[in-house]
Amino acid sequence: QVQLQESGPGLVKPSETLSLTCSVSGASMRSHYWSWIRQPPGKGLEWIGYFSYSGRTNYNPSLDSRVTISVDTSKSQSSLRLRSVTAADTAVYYCVRGLFYDSSGFLFDSWGQGTRVTVSS
Amino acid sequence: SSELTQDPDVSVALGQTVRITCQGETLRSYNADWYQQKPGQAPAVVIYGENQRPSGISDRFSVSKSGNTASLTITGTQAEDEADYYCKSRDASGNVGLFGGGTRLTVL
Repeated sequence: QVQLQESGPGLVKPSETLSLTCSVSGASMRSHYWSWIRQPPGKGLEWIGYFSYSGRTNYNPSLDSRVTISVDTSKSQSSLRLRSVTAADTAVYYCVRGLFYDSSGFLFDSWGQGTRVTVSS
Repeated sequence: SSELTQDPDVSVALGQTVRITCQGETLRSYNADWYQQKPGQAPAVVIYGENQRPSGISDRFSVSKSGNTASLTITGTQAEDEADYYCKSRDASGNVGLFGGGTRLTVL
């Protein structure tokens, strides 16, 4: 059973870079799509992007210019970097595993517990 | 731009059947997945594709689709079904992570 655990600073200053790490256990990172999803306080879910097992990235167009997701298979870790943050980036950030279940269907099948990040000076 | 629209709040009497809908033009081309989120917890998928349920998910959950509308139906609603429900599909560019705004289900 795969387990995902997010870690990183809970407070980031405006204009700085948010950096989070996801430690994965119970599954190889050489398959699936390693994703990040966030949820602002009291609001809905927003997909940030993924890093695929083949090394391809795909980002939400609304965040594409500021985000980088990477995977280190030797450490079984995924990383998220979000540059030039503002208060609007305050959210719970989830590390999530994704997969295609048919020719077009994509599923987020395993989620970390989430880590809360506040952007404030 | 692509979007998926859900009713913010839906209520249902204990033991009754409830339908939660999700509207969006990309649903004409793609199926929706449905995620359940209880307070203080991470979301979890309850049903995806054409009525595929992860292990441990009750068969009281089912889905259907017509035109640009996908629906999640819960039959014999139980108190533990009270939660926020999010539909997810793909946007017009094919990106995989388009979420609806969520529906808060209250069980009366």
